[in-house]
Amino acid sequence: DTEVTQTPKHLVMGMTNKKSLKCEQHMGHRAMYWYKQKAKKPPELMFVYSYEKLSINESVPSRFSPECPNSSLLNLHLHALQPEDSALYLCASSHSGLANNEQFFGPGTRLTVL
Amino acid sequence: DAKTTQPPSMDCAEGRAANLPCNHSTISGNEYVYWYRQIHSQGPQYIIHGLKNNETNEMASLIITEDRKSSTLILPHATLRDTAVYYCIVSRQTSGSRLTFGEGTQLTVNP
Repeated sequence: DTEVTQTPKHLVMGMTNKKSLKCEQHMGHRAMYWYKQKAKKPPELMFVYSYEKLSINESVPSRFSPECPNSSLLNLHLHALQPEDSALYLCASSHSGLANNEQFFGPGTRLTVL
Repeated sequence: DAKTTQPPSMDCAEGRAANLPCNHSTISGNEYVYWYRQIHSQGPQYIIHGLKNNETNEMASLIITEDRKSSTLILPHATLRDTAVYYCIVSRQTSGSRLTFGEGTQLTVNP
């Protein structure tokens, strides 16, 4: 299995809702990432987990809360989002340790905040 | 991480080689050059990476200048399915390191 899966594919939520994005990989990767991509812009790194511990937080607002419950799963909990948070949210994973930084990306979750 | 500069767009005829340039004049000694591409509405896809030697795989070739300040990604026989945004990224080798995407090059392969 060389895939990163993300659910849901699309999500529409109001500003007062709480929702979660899910990412899963079964490649034995121990580094997992969340990126945000606005329309016609490049992906921007949000968070990096290495061995299930948060190693990089790119000053992301606290309304985005990542969680890595085990080595295969990565969640992004969303609460009190703003319309400007509407974007494609991409998950990625890569091998651990000194292996190269080839990241495998999922297809993304397209989020619309009303 | 070092910044990269790429042309915003390029065109290529189907079946011809596509040569995509990238400048990374501030690259440091422990940083690698990575290339990814993103086909419309999909997640980015890894293509190739290198440190200082030229590299080739089943998708592409990567030519890095001797001073490592620039590189060229070569798609030897471009097809319509190679139409995508191509990102040149400088990053440390270690897994868990940042990938900082620039604006990339929109490559359009024409029939």
